Formats: sequence, structure tokens, C-alpha cells
Amino acid sequence: DTAVSQTPKYLVTQMGNDKSIKCEQNLGHDTMYWYKQDSKKFLKIMFSYNNKELIINETVPNRFSPKSPDKAHLNLHINSLELGDSAVYFCASSQGTSLYNEQFFGPGTRLTVL
Amino acid sequence: KQEVTQIPAALSVPEGENLVLNCSFTDSAIYNLQWFRQDPGKGLTSLLLIQSSQREQTSGRLNASLDKSSGRSTLYIAASQPGDSATYLCAVGLRQAGTALIFGKGTTLSVSS
Repeated sequence: DTAVSQTPKYLVTQMGNDKSIKCEQNLGHDTMYWYKQDSKKFLKIMFSYNNKELIINETVPNRFSPKSPDKAHLNLHINSLELGDSAVYFCASSQGTSLYNEQFFGPGTRLTVL
Repeated sequence: KQEVTQIPAALSVPEGENLVLNCSFTDSAIYNLQWFRQDPGKGLTSLLLIQSSQREQTSGRLNASLDKSSGRSTLYIAASQPGDSATYLCAVGLRQAGTALIFGKGTTLSVSS
């Protein structure tokens, strides 16, 4: 009965590779997000999707491309991985675009680029 | 640009003590404020959500207050327990940020038995 799930939980890969992280929510929410938590534990928004449409795209390299096949899924594809991409990536969801709505987070994916 | 600051960065208390975690934000035009808990190597657990029109929210031993005019929120934890040890994150929803949350860097709490 997991609300927001992510796969994989851990991802170790070499520089230059392409990888994807998957996110699914079963809360019936229509807005999903990707956040990045860096080595200093600071969390920052990367992308936000509402009803499969991109509504926020913070300053992230275009090597990062989110894909939302439906309202329940928001995947993150990363091309040409770099050492600095090592971080924990969190998916989250909420109902609607109103900020009055609570956000629920997934367990995170720890990406290590060697 | 909205900045969210949490003080102190770390806090150690003996079991049973009441404590207050502080969060301040520079732009008072927020929609809401959310407190989270993060255990080491784990995801974020939502603790309390305060709408901009509200002054406080309570859940069990936790009470969060919001003062928009002064740009401050506090998380009060009553009768602390070792199981409360975690990092507590404050995040604000800001109109200019769409629907994303702007996070503080957290307060790491350690409760000793």
C-alpha cells in the first residue's frame, strides 16, 4: 500500500552512462515532482508535472529529462552521467496545483556516479 | 528570492525534554508551510501542514505554529523520546515557485535516553 514508490532504491553507474529512475504514486494525485538532495542534504526542486504537463523546470542541465506517461508516473532519465549528479533523488506528489495541498514523498533513489 | 533558514542546525537533548525547532523565511507571500521528518538514509515523512491562513496545527506531541508577518514557524515537540531522533525539515510553498516547495537545510535532533 505504498503511496509514492521509486525504483531503483540504489543506482551505481559509471560516468557517461544513461540511466532512468522510475516513480509511481497510487494516491490519485495529478501533480508530481522530482527533487534532488545533494551531499550536504539540501533539497531542491528539479521538475514539476501537472496532468502530464511540465509546469516547473528549474535550472537543471538538459541531460535530465522527465517523462510522464500518465498522471500516476513520472520518470527521470539522465544522459551522460557526471560525477556531480551523485545525489539522492526524491519523487513527490500532491493533489492539484494549489499549494494548499500536502506533498507526499517517495523513499528516494541514491545515485552514485563513479 | 525566498530563503528558508532553520536554527539550530543540530540539537541534542535528554529524553523527556520539551523542545522547539525554528524556521524562518524571507518572503511572507507563502501559500503553506510543511514540516517533514527524515531518518538517516530514508525518505521524507510529512508531519504537519499549515495553510497560510492558519496559525497552528497539532498532531500528537507535535505542534507547529506559523507567523507569516514575521516570517517564522516553530515546531514544538513535547516530552521528547529517543525515537524522535531524526532531521526535521521545514519547507514553504511560494506562489512564484509554482507548486514546488522551498526547503530549509534542516535541524538534526538527537534525543538521548
